Amino acid sequence: NAGVTQTPKFQVLKTGQSMTLQCAQDMNHEYMSWYRQDPGMGLRLIHYSVGAGITDQGEVPNGYNVSRSTTEDFPLRLLSAAPSQTSVYFCASSYRATGLLYEQYFGPGTRLTVT
Amino acid sequence: AQRVTQPEKLLSVFKGAPVELKCNYSYSGSPELFWYVQYSRQRLQLLLRHISRESIKGFTADLNKGETSFHLKKPFAQEEDSAMYYCALRPSSNTGKLIFGQGTTLQVKP
Repeated sequence: NAGVTQTPKFQVLKTGQSMTLQCAQDMNHEYMSWYRQDPGMGLRLIHYSVGAGITDQGEVPNGYNVSRSTTEDFPLRLLSAAPSQTSVYFCASSYRATGLLYEQYFGPGTRLTVT
Repeated sequence: AQRVTQPEKLLSVFKGAPVELKCNYSYSGSPELFWYVQYSRQRLQLLLRHISRESIKGFTADLNKGETSFHLKKPFAQEEDSAMYYCALRPSSNTGKLIFGQGTTLQVKP
């Protein structure tokens, strides 16, 4: 299994540009999430999904869109990039098993700089 | 409000010294708590979960509901323990949603 993969690894955008960060998992996990990691702020949840066709907002959703058309993929779209969105973005997925706690599996991250 | 607080940004100790990384939480229900670790240039990975009451790489963490804490401890730090550590709380067992603390960088000096 490849686990959770993210592309690209690095990206530089100009203010106002749009782009999509890709996330895919091959573990058939129901749950997928996007976090951003900023110094002194820890990881903050942007959006999450409990299954294909179902998404919901996290703590810091403004400026981002998501969709979940398949179990495997959970892309994150930046509609009009702003310097405040400069961050490292992590995608994560987790499974649900009766009577067990799920572990979140994280991708390697995408380092985004908006100038 | 649901919140996780890690009061120390940086904890620096010498090899062989005891380590305690603090984590306090605010949550009205029964919490599910975790410690995640991120080594340099690697992805986050699960270190411990409170329900398992396990010891991983010599680390343990005990949930103290009275003090709403879940501190991470190791009696003798090793240089390879140097990493960023995140405490996390899952507010609902129906989702994979996690609330993270700000993170503590552990630096173990030789």
